[in-house]
Amino acid sequence: DAGITQSPRYKITETGRQVTLMCHQTWSHSYMFWYRQDLGHGLRLIYYSAAADITDKGEVPDGYVVSRSKTENFPLTLESATRSQTSVYFCASSTTADTQYFGPGTRLTVL
Amino acid sequence: QKEVEQNSGPLSVPEGAIASLNCTYSDRGSQSFFWYRQYSGKSPELIMSIYSNGDKEDGRFTAQLNKASQYVSLLIRDSQPSDSATYLCAVGGFIFNDYKLSFGAGTTVTVRA
Repeated sequence: DAGITQSPRYKITETGRQVTLMCHQTWSHSYMFWYRQDLGHGLRLIYYSAAADITDKGEVPDGYVVSRSKTENFPLTLESATRSQTSVYFCASSTTADTQYFGPGTRLTVL
Repeated sequence: QKEVEQNSGPLSVPEGAIASLNCTYSDRGSQSFFWYRQYSGKSPELIMSIYSNGDKEDGRFTAQLNKASQYVSLLIRDSQPSDSATYLCAVGGFIFNDYKLSFGAGTTVTVRA
């Protein structure tokens, strides 16, 4: 039972490059979320999805794009990475949106 | 004003003592309340959820909710070194038809052996 996985776990990229972070869950949860975690800010919601083909913006969506063609996958793309997007990114999933279970995280560094 | 505020810590307690963590929230319509534990370099792990006023106990953990005071707390009894972590308070509720879960910045707890 893999639960929720993220890849890559660590990524170093350069300013201006496109980066895609992957999230996969095996629970068939309807809801999936992307958060970033930065010192002093806690967890902030980037985007979320209530079901396949339904996505919506969170608190800090600028510079990010998401898609959800299949229930189990929710990739997050940084179209043109900036240094301010250096962070730890967590994917989460839930059956009802409230009780959320987190993946292991991706540590992204933008040089 | 932050939506969810936690006592900033860090909080240092001796082994066997009670660790008390506090959280206040601004949205009076909030409906769901959670405590997550996050070890250094790891992802948040759900340890408690509470939805109605009063106390909820699970092992050595007790969550307390007071909606009138917009206050939720977590007590860790008989603290162990393995409880050393950052504890995140999360508060959820519907804004129009969208559910929103807001997190506090966390309180770091260190249990001294």
